[in-house]
Amino acid sequence: GNSVTQMEGPVTLSEEAFLTINCTYTATGYPSLFWYVQYPGEGLQLLLKATKADDKGSNKGFEATYRKETTSFHLEKGSVQVSDSAVYFCALYLYNFNKFYFGSGTKLNVKP
Amino acid sequence: NAGVTQTPKFQVLKTGQSMTLQCAQDMNHNSMYWYRQDPGMGLRLIYYSASEGTTDKGEVPNGYNVSRLNKREFSLRLESAAPSQTSVYFCASESGKTNTGELFFGEGSRLTVL
Repeated sequence: GNSVTQMEGPVTLSEEAFLTINCTYTATGYPSLFWYVQYPGEGLQLLLKATKADDKGSNKGFEATYRKETTSFHLEKGSVQVSDSAVYFCALYLYNFNKFYFGSGTKLNVKP
Repeated sequence: NAGVTQTPKFQVLKTGQSMTLQCAQDMNHNSMYWYRQDPGMGLRLIYYSASEGTTDKGEVPNGYNVSRLNKREFSLRLESAAPSQTSVYFCASESGKTNTGELFFGEGSRLTVL
């Protein structure tokens, strides 16, 4: 079946620390991959995406590379800020099925 | 830039009551979705509509009905609310015109069933 697995949180880091949130997937076909971010009390918003193997998505200092060989799409940021505290969701989209599949979310807490 | 608008933002119901969550998008998107978000379980798809006039069940459709009123609007109805339906509900839309997908979410509706 199709699914997304991401590391459980919460993840607690100090400001300026390096961030990695792991995400792996299983999918039939060739999915597009996404990271969404949810700030407290808000809906999800797109952080970055990659539509084919070896693509790198990037936004606001965050990066993730579509690795087909390891079926992974890990999220990284070199230096986190307090304002990055949020819940991060990894997701995949299968066009042929018109469906999205979400991971369970990883809460990030960044301390000053 | 309204995007996806959901109403109401908060609602408290008693067991057995009914209510409808409204959702509208102004981006001329074909596809619309209803998700529920529960702690530790991420987002689960309730129903979706690939285009005006069509609806399909998602992962957790029991206890819900939907209506795709027109291209803009997609409502979610709880006929007889149960405490297990206490959750945060999100409406989302996607253009349906490309093969890469990108969801746009509303701000959510927090429902409590007593």
